[in-house]
Amino acid sequence: AAGVIQSPRHLIKEKRETATLKCYPIPRHDTVYWYQQGPGQDPQFLISFYEKMQSDKGSIPDRFSAQQFSDYHSELNMSSLELGDSALYFCASSEDRNYGYTFGSGTRLTVV
Amino acid sequence: AQKVTQAQTEISVVEKEDVTLDCVYETRDTTYYLFWYKQPPSGELVFLIRRNSFDEQNEISGRYSWNFQKSTSSFNFTITASQVVDSAVYFCALSEASFRGGSEKLVFGKGTKLTVNP
Repeated sequence: AAGVIQSPRHLIKEKRETATLKCYPIPRHDTVYWYQQGPGQDPQFLISFYEKMQSDKGSIPDRFSAQQFSDYHSELNMSSLELGDSALYFCASSEDRNYGYTFGSGTRLTVV
Repeated sequence: AQKVTQAQTEISVVEKEDVTLDCVYETRDTTYYLFWYKQPPSGELVFLIRRNSFDEQNEISGRYSWNFQKSTSSFNFTITASQVVDSAVYFCALSEASFRGGSEKLVFGKGTKLTVNP
């Protein structure tokens, strides 16, 4: 069965650089969620998209932006990276109000 | 506001022991969903179970069982005859139902790190 694909799996960036994370949801899933998980922390909700429109927003820094494209894939753009942005970033997708979430394997971002 | 509390930060057991991971939640909604996820050292989030607020039946899946009690707002997870491969961080999570598309984010507890020693 198709799963949620995230790329890249690992990313190393220097402070003040920009990073772009990509998420390809399961076909027919119309909702995408982004979560950030710092070391030893629980996943924190960043932002979600439903039918290519932003549907909810969590504690996402202003330096971060995201969008969902016509093919439903989503990208999380992070600028002016800080050491504290080092984390595991998960994307999840679901069918609207199905209340089942499929998570990708995550992108591990390291800022040095 | 939604909140999930996992009071046990770390638990260490010896193989074959039974272990229960506690989860207490808060929500103002009458319709909601509860989840458990396993996160092994490799980092991925592995789905274990989803339970809606109208279904209080306990569930058993192999060595895993879940006890959902609305009266105490708890959704506890028991591993019977634990194995070394069960070592992981376990997260309990809550999602409130919504009529607005795409707004049903998951709220996670802080997680319980389970170590099963041989």
